[in-house]
Amino acid sequence: GENVEQHPSTLSVQEGDSAVIKCTYSDSASNYFPWYKQELGKRPQLIIDIRSNVGEKKDQRIAVTLNKTAKHFSLHITETQPEDSAVYFCAASIRTGANNLFFGTGTRLTVIP
Amino acid sequence: DAGVTQSPTHLIKTRGQHVTLRCSPISGHKSVSWYQQVLGQGPQFIFQYYEKEERGRGNFPDRFSARQFPNYSSELNVNALLLGDSALYLCASSLGQGINQPQHFGDGTRLSIL
Repeated sequence: GENVEQHPSTLSVQEGDSAVIKCTYSDSASNYFPWYKQELGKRPQLIIDIRSNVGEKKDQRIAVTLNKTAKHFSLHITETQPEDSAVYFCAASIRTGANNLFFGTGTRLTVIP
Repeated sequence: DAGVTQSPTHLIKTRGQHVTLRCSPISGHKSVSWYQQVLGQGPQFIFQYYEKEERGRGNFPDRFSARQFPNYSSELNVNALLLGDSALYLCASSLGQGINQPQHFGDGTRLSIL
């Protein structure tokens, strides 16, 4: 099955700085890569996703890049704000009839005011 | 529009009991997936249902079962509960089952086994 690794497990940045979270996946058949933000006690919230036919996608302060050859993808958050503090999960999906997501172990991001 | 709704929000059970968790998808969504999230880890896939049929199953024992109803709501059943079943159970819905259909999660049911 698919194995998704995520680094770092914790990340602290000063407000206004950038944050980068990296994930690698093992199955070259994976072709959909969403990112979720989960605040304490709340649901995982889809913040951005990318498909394997695209190398980069941006939505305001958030961007995701995908390197299919190296089998890794990254989340970039620019101009971080205290409300960006949360746990971020990457995930990968193989279309095999079921679109189940394989999640990374999460990154706890703390933005220091 | 209402998002994915799950009930109950919290549940306390003892070992050996069974539990039923419920999920209502976003209106118009026909696919429901269930995930287990143990504290400090990412969600793990349990089941996916689409058009009332099981379309995928994760690496969970037969004590776990689910079904989807004609209105696309879903139930997750767990029998013979173990301490290790304590977790947040998340339901996610999507329009269809393809990868072009992003999954949106509910707030989950926090299950505690004593």
